[in-house]
Amino acid sequence: DTEVTQTPKHLVMGMTNKKSLKCEQHMGHRAMYWYKQKAKKPPELMFVYSYEKLSINESVPSRFSPECPNSSLLNLHLHALQPEDSALYLCASSQGDRASGYGYTFGSGTRLTVV
Amino acid sequence: GQNIDQPTEMTATEGAIVQINCTYQTSGFNGLFWYQQHAGEAPTFLSYNVLDGLEEKGRFSSFLSRSKGYSYLLLKELQMKDSASYLCAVRDDRGSTLGRLYFGRGTQLTVWP
Repeated sequence: DTEVTQTPKHLVMGMTNKKSLKCEQHMGHRAMYWYKQKAKKPPELMFVYSYEKLSINESVPSRFSPECPNSSLLNLHLHALQPEDSALYLCASSQGDRASGYGYTFGSGTRLTVV
Repeated sequence: GQNIDQPTEMTATEGAIVQINCTYQTSGFNGLFWYQQHAGEAPTFLSYNVLDGLEEKGRFSSFLSRSKGYSYLLLKELQMKDSASYLCAVRDDRGSTLGRLYFGRGTQLTVWP
């Protein structure tokens, strides 16, 4: 299995809703990432987990809450989002070490629309 | 950011060769990656350079010059399906054992018949 699986593929939520994005990989990768990508813009790093611990938070608002239940799963809990949070949310994983030459493996993303 | 610069758009015809350039500035450089991204889809890995020189993989080649902070992606025998955004990404290990991957804005390539 060489894939990163994200669910759901599409999500529409109101500003008062609580929802979660899910990401799963079975490649034995020890680092997992959340990226946000707006239309015609590059992906922007949000969070990095290493060995199931939060390693990097790129000053992301608290309405986004990541969780790593185990080495294969990564969640992003959403609460009280704003319309400007509408974007493609990408999950990625990597071997997590300096020597890795294969970058990240990305999931297909969740297209989020906040209404 | 890491001052990653690449052209916004390029066009070429089927069967031609196109070169997409990327320049960068970073203090903890540990590799440069090229990704292909079709609209609404996830980026897919194309190539990786950490040492100076040319890496060839089928119709795609990537070059790196660390001293110049410069890379290019060369696409040969262009096909219509190559129409996509091409993202240059730099891995920066400064201050962390984990590589942070910073992306350029992407070059939208359109291949015409």
